[in-house]
Amino acid sequence: ETGVTQTPRHLVMGMTNKKSLKCEQHLGHNAMYWYKQSAKKPLELMFVYNFKEQTENNSVPSRFSPECPNSSHLFLHLHTLQPEDSALYLCASSQDDGASTEAFFGQGTRLTVV
Amino acid sequence: EDQVTQSPEALRLQEGESSSLNCSYTVSGLRGLFWYRQDPGKGPEFLFTLYSAGEEKEKERLKATLTKKESFLHITAPKPEDSATYLCAVQARTGTASKLTFGTGTRLQVTL
Repeated sequence: ETGVTQTPRHLVMGMTNKKSLKCEQHLGHNAMYWYKQSAKKPLELMFVYNFKEQTENNSVPSRFSPECPNSSHLFLHLHTLQPEDSALYLCASSQDDGASTEAFFGQGTRLTVV
Repeated sequence: EDQVTQSPEALRLQEGESSSLNCSYTVSGLRGLFWYRQDPGKGPEFLFTLYSAGEEKEKERLKATLTKKESFLHITAPKPEDSATYLCAVQARTGTASKLTFGTGTRLQVTL
C-alpha cells in the first residue's frame, strides 16, 4: 500500500458509543494530523503530532482523544459524541523538516452520529 | 490569525471555457501556499506548492500563480473531468510542525 490509508471509510455511531478511527501512512513522514471537514466550512485542524509528540490541540472537545503510537500510525478515539460531530474526518501526513512541504491526505472517514 | 478566502464559491464552465479561481490570504509569514483538488467523498489531492511572490507552477490544464496577497488557479480549456472542489491553503512559519489554514473552496463544474 502507498500513501495515507484511513479506516473505516464510513461509520455510524450512537451518542453513547465508543469507536476509533485509524490512520496509517506509508510515506516515511514524521508529522501526522487530524482534520475535520463539515459542509460549507473550511477544513479545521484538530490535532498535530510531530515525531509522535502532540504539538497542537486546537481546542478540541475531550470527547475526541488522539493517540499516536509511532510515526506511521494515528488514531482518533471517539466517545459520547454529539450529532453536530457528524463530518468527514481526514488524516494527513507531511515531512516536517523546516522546509515547506505539502501534506498528503487520506480518503477520510465519513462519520454520522445518530 | 491566518485567513484564506476563496472566490467564487461555485463556478460552472462549459468545456473549453477558460477561467480563474482566486485565493486571497493573510498570514503571519508565509511558508507556502498550497492548492488541492477534492472530489466528492474523498480526501484532498495535492496539486501545487508556491513559496514566493512571482512563482508559477503548471500541470496539464492548470496553472497556479502567487502574489503577496493572493493566488490564482487558472484553468485553460477545462474538461468535464476537471470538475471538483479546489481548495487553497496557507502554511505559516510558526510552530514546529506544518499547519495548514484552508479556505472553503471553489466548487467547479465543467459541462459538455
